[in-house]
Amino acid sequence: GQNIDQPTEMTATEGAIVQINCTYQTSGFNGLFWYQQHAGEAPTFLSYNVLDGLEEKGRFSSFLSRSKGYSYLLLKELQMKDSASYLCAVRHNYGGSQGNLIFGKGTKLSVKP
Amino acid sequence: GAVVSQHPSWVICKSGTSVKIECRSLDFQATTMFWYRQFPKQSLMLMATSNEGSKATYEQGVEKDKFLINHASLTLSTLTVTSAHPEDSSFYICSARAYPRGFSGNTIYFGEGSWLTVV
Repeated sequence: GQNIDQPTEMTATEGAIVQINCTYQTSGFNGLFWYQQHAGEAPTFLSYNVLDGLEEKGRFSSFLSRSKGYSYLLLKELQMKDSASYLCAVRHNYGGSQGNLIFGKGTKLSVKP
Repeated sequence: GAVVSQHPSWVICKSGTSVKIECRSLDFQATTMFWYRQFPKQSLMLMATSNEGSKATYEQGVEKDKFLINHASLTLSTLTVTSAHPEDSSFYICSARAYPRGFSGNTIYFGEGSWLTVV
C-alpha cells in the first residue's frame, strides 16, 4: 500500500528553526516534493528531491534518504508568514500512472511571536 | 517558476447545472495534467490524470460521467462538473508536470485552485 506520514501540527517561534519530518512507503519512488499551502489557497512548490542528500534553497532545505523512506523540510529564521500547512508528496511509478503525486495529510505549522 | 493558471477562481452554480473549470500551462507544454479535489482541512485527493489527446485516467471512486475531463491541447485541460449537487462543493485544483527549458526534475506545479459552491 501507499502511506505517507507527517506530523499533524507543529508550533515554533519566530526566528527559530523547525524541522518537519516525512516518512513514506510507496510502490516505487520517483521523487519527493514539499509544498506549502496557506489556508484556502493552492499549494506552492518548495522543493524536489530524487537523490539522497540535502537540497538548500534560501531559508528552506529538504533532505532525502531513500533507503530509510525518510525526508525532512527544514525552515530557518522562521517568519510569521511561514504559518501554513506543509505537504509532503511522493511521486511513484506503477501500473498505468504517469507519475502522479501521493500526498501526506500535511503538517500545520503555527509560528508564534 | 512555471506558471499554471486556473479559471475561474470561484464559482457559484445552481444544483443540476454544469460548470467548467480551465487549467492552462502558461509558459510550458504539459502533456500530463492532474486534477485534485480538497475538502476543508483535508489533504488533496487525486481525481484523475489528464493526458493530451487521450482519455483521462480516473481514480477509483471518481465518476467519469460526472467529472468530465478534456485535454485538447498541450496547454489546456478542462474539468466539467456535470449535474452539480451541493455535495460537489469543494476546492478543485489542477497541476501540470513541467518540462520547460531550464527546469529540472519534472516538477509538478499547481494552479491557483477553484472554489465551487453548488446551491
